Amino acid sequence: RKEVEQDPGPFNVPEGATVAFNCTYSNSASQSFFWYRQDCRKEPKLLMSVYSSGNEDGRFTAQLNRASQYISLLIRDSKLSDSATYLCVVNNKDSSYKLIFGSGTRLLVRP
Amino acid sequence: DGGITQSPKYLFRKEGQNVTLSCEQNLNHDAMYWYRQDPGQGLRLIYYSQIVNDFQKGDIAEGYSVSREKKESFPLTVTSAQKNPTAFYLCASSNTLNTEAFFGQGTRLTVV
Repeated sequence: RKEVEQDPGPFNVPEGATVAFNCTYSNSASQSFFWYRQDCRKEPKLLMSVYSSGNEDGRFTAQLNRASQYISLLIRDSKLSDSATYLCVVNNKDSSYKLIFGSGTRLLVRP
Repeated sequence: DGGITQSPKYLFRKEGQNVTLSCEQNLNHDAMYWYRQDPGQGLRLIYYSQIVNDFQKGDIAEGYSVSREKKESFPLTVTSAQKNPTAFYLCASSNTLNTEAFFGQGTRLTVV
C-alpha cells in the first residue's frame, strides 16, 4: 500500500463548480500535511498547509481527519486557471520527517 | 530575491556519461531534497540532507550520488549506473524536515 494515495482523476468540472479532492495516508504518526499545485511541466508550488482545525484561503479549504487518516481540499467557484495537478504531501517522524508525495489529482476546469 | 536555482534547465547526456545537476538556495534552509518525476507520475525521493556534510538515501538512490559541502548547495550526480535516467529532476529546500518545501524550476535530463 502506498503511504499517500490520491485519486488520479481527471476531475473535469465547469467554471464556477465546487470540487473536492481527498487524500489518504497510511501512517498514523504523520505530523505535517500540505497541498501543492503543479502545472504541466513545471515545479510543484505550495498551495496551503493543512492544520488540525482546518483552514481556508480564499476559495480553497483544507481539512484534516486524523481518525480516518485523510486530508481534503475543497475548491469553490472554480476558475479556468485552477486547472492543474494537486499533490497531497505528508511527513512523519517514522520517515525521518522526509516529505512523501502523493501521485496527484488532475483537475480540468472547462469554460 | 530569495529562492532555489537549478541548472541547467535542459540537459542531454550520452549513455555511459556521468552528469551533475546543480541546486543552489539562498533561503538559509537547513534541509534540501532531490526528487525525480517521470511523465504522468508523482515525485520520488532520491536523496535528502538535513544539515551540511550529512545526507540520507531516499527511495530510489541507486545510480545517484550527492554532496552537501555547503548549506546553500546540494548537487546531484547521475551516474552511468542509473539505467533509466531520462526524467524531470526537482530540487527542494525547507527550513527543517518538518516544514513545507520550496522547489526549484527543475532540470529535464534526456539520455541520447
